[in-house]
Amino acid sequence: DVKVTQSSRYLVKRTGEKVFLECVQDMDHENMFWYRQDPGLGLRLIYFSYDVKMKEKGDIPEGYSVSREKKERFSLILESASTNQTSMYLCASSLLALRTGMVYEQFFGPGTRLTVL
Amino acid sequence: AQSVSQHNHHVILSEAASLELGCNYSYGGTVNLFWYVQYPGQHLQLLLKYFSGDPLVKGIKGFEAEFIKSKFSFNLRKPSVQWSDTAEYFCAVTNTGFQKLVFGTGTRLLVSP
Repeated sequence: DVKVTQSSRYLVKRTGEKVFLECVQDMDHENMFWYRQDPGLGLRLIYFSYDVKMKEKGDIPEGYSVSREKKERFSLILESASTNQTSMYLCASSLLALRTGMVYEQFFGPGTRLTVL
Repeated sequence: AQSVSQHNHHVILSEAASLELGCNYSYGGTVNLFWYVQYPGQHLQLLLKYFSGDPLVKGIKGFEAEFIKSKFSFNLRKPSVQWSDTAEYFCAVTNTGFQKLVFGTGTRLLVSP
């Protein structure tokens, strides 16, 4: 059973703090993703990674960075948290089919609800 | 820019009513299409997906979706909804070979008993 876990379900931080959100998957997936989910806006991709130390910007990368030092772990970093980063953050992972180009199902974690005061 | 539209933001149905949720996309080329569901308090999970072949795709819990290429649509259907189908439904699209999904804004479905 695929499992994607996120370090916190709820997090409250102050403006200007550095925030780390951790995600771990246990299925040896190559791809990992960070999204934010906001009411009326759906899921928007922040960053994704298809291999260790590799990263690609998503649609809304401003104000965020990521780190992938190990295959199973993908971290999202808010260098200086701001109130407009208050949101639900979802991590996901999927297999990568390099030769066929197949797009596999993404498996999601439970989410971290971040509030920035 | 590539985009996915879900025109129904909120849908309220009574149990046993039929359901159709719209999804339209603006992509060129070969597409892969997905419907995800998020039940209250649960993880987002895959409902069904289309890669190629039969444009009528069947998923879990009695859901199905039809890919109509000429209309750039992938609407989700269920003949008879249950109270347990109350959830938020997301359509997602990508081009074949691209790992990034683009999600629609979601449709909140409330089924009253």
